[in-house]
Amino acid sequence: GDSVTQMEGPVTLSEEAFLTINCTYTATGYPSLFWYVQYPGEGLQLLLKATKADDKGSNKGFEATYRKETTSFHLEKGSVQVSDSAVYFCALSLKAPDGGSQGNLIFGKGTKLSVKP
Amino acid sequence: DAGVTQSPTHLIKTRGQQVTLRCSPKSGHDTVCWYQQALGQGPQFIFQYYEEEERQRGNFPDRFSGHQFPNYSSELNVNALLLGDSALYLCASSLAVTSGRVYNEQFFGPGTRLTVL
Repeated sequence: GDSVTQMEGPVTLSEEAFLTINCTYTATGYPSLFWYVQYPGEGLQLLLKATKADDKGSNKGFEATYRKETTSFHLEKGSVQVSDSAVYFCALSLKAPDGGSQGNLIFGKGTKLSVKP
Repeated sequence: DAGVTQSPTHLIKTRGQQVTLRCSPKSGHDTVCWYQQALGQGPQFIFQYYEEEERQRGNFPDRFSGHQFPNYSSELNVNALLLGDSALYLCASSLAVTSGRVYNEQFFGPGTRLTVL
């Protein structure tokens, strides 16, 4: 079935370090891909998205590229800050026949990131 | 502009009881999805409501039911509570474009933390 696999956490980095969180997916067709972030005590916020192969999503210094050949959507940031400490979720949404999203999101288990000053 | 709101914030119930959780979508949104997030896991899709009807359903038993009102707000009902129902319940809203096809971005509420004793 359709699924998302992301690297196990927790990930602990020093401020200004480079971040990579791996995400791979299994899906029928070509889904839309997302990264969501969950700060302590809050709901999920959309961080970035990509809707077709080779698209690059970016926001707040984070980037991820939709790689169809490797079924991956790895999250990267060149220099993390303490304020980036949160849980990051990779997710996919299957496409409906008319090209829109089917609506329901399929999430990975999440990767907790802690950034130390 | 108010985002997605959920009530209550926290709830404690005992096994066998019934619970109702509530969600008000972001202004201008007409579609609501409910997700269950167990501790340390990613959210799992429960169901989606559009035009007051359940449009999609995830792999959850009939004990989980919902409703959408004419003002687009929604309720999630869980009957015969089990210990395993303890989780964070997230509501996400979005704007449908074509016959209930939800287009990519869902906005999440802060969730309701349900504890079943």
